[in-house]
Amino acid sequence: KQEVTQIPAALSVPEGENLVLNCSFTDSAIYNLQWFRQDPGKGLTSLLLIQSSQREQTSGRLNASLDKSSGRSTLYIAASQPGDSATYLCAVISSNTGKLIFGQGTTLQVKP
Amino acid sequence: EAGVAQSPRYKIIEKRQSVAFWCNPISGHATLYWYQQILGQGPKLLIQFQNNGVVDDSQLPKDRFSAERLKGVDSTLKIQPAKLEDSAVYLCASSPDRGTDTQYFGPGTRLTVL
Repeated sequence: KQEVTQIPAALSVPEGENLVLNCSFTDSAIYNLQWFRQDPGKGLTSLLLIQSSQREQTSGRLNASLDKSSGRSTLYIAASQPGDSATYLCAVISSNTGKLIFGQGTTLQVKP
Repeated sequence: EAGVAQSPRYKIIEKRQSVAFWCNPISGHATLYWYQQILGQGPKLLIQFQNNGVVDDSQLPKDRFSAERLKGVDSTLKIQPAKLEDSAVYLCASSPDRGTDTQYFGPGTRLTVL
């Protein structure tokens, strides 16, 4: 059974700091991995999608990496801003079931 | 392009009452999903539709939850009777075709069962 874990559960940093969010998954048979952002009272917004054959994806100040063999992904946020404050969710699509399996999320607070 | 629409945004009910949620996916999206997100957890898939057929409802508590997508467009999710543990955000998502396509999420309905 695929399980996705995110560490830490919560993180508070001063504005301008670079930071890394971690995601691990137990079954390397994945189709892709996605990072989502969730703001309070709002739905999920897809930030980055990495296909299983890829190693990383970049969008602006965000960079996501994927090491399928070790079951790990990281989301790197450069020069953090207060507007980055949100919950970040990692999710994988299992090759076996086709389902999107989510981690529990990391809640980020960036202080001005 | 309009996003995924959901209503109501908030609902408070007493336990044992019934409640229904509505979702309108992005136009042309064949696949529709309902997720349950309990506070502090990631979303969990309840049911997946491909057009108007059910692809996966293995995690749907069928004794109290039901869902339909009669014309392959909008969908309703119903809970009857509600329990305290059903308090959660119910998210609807849609994707263009296959289950492996990027999913687009609606704003969710926050349900509180008292």
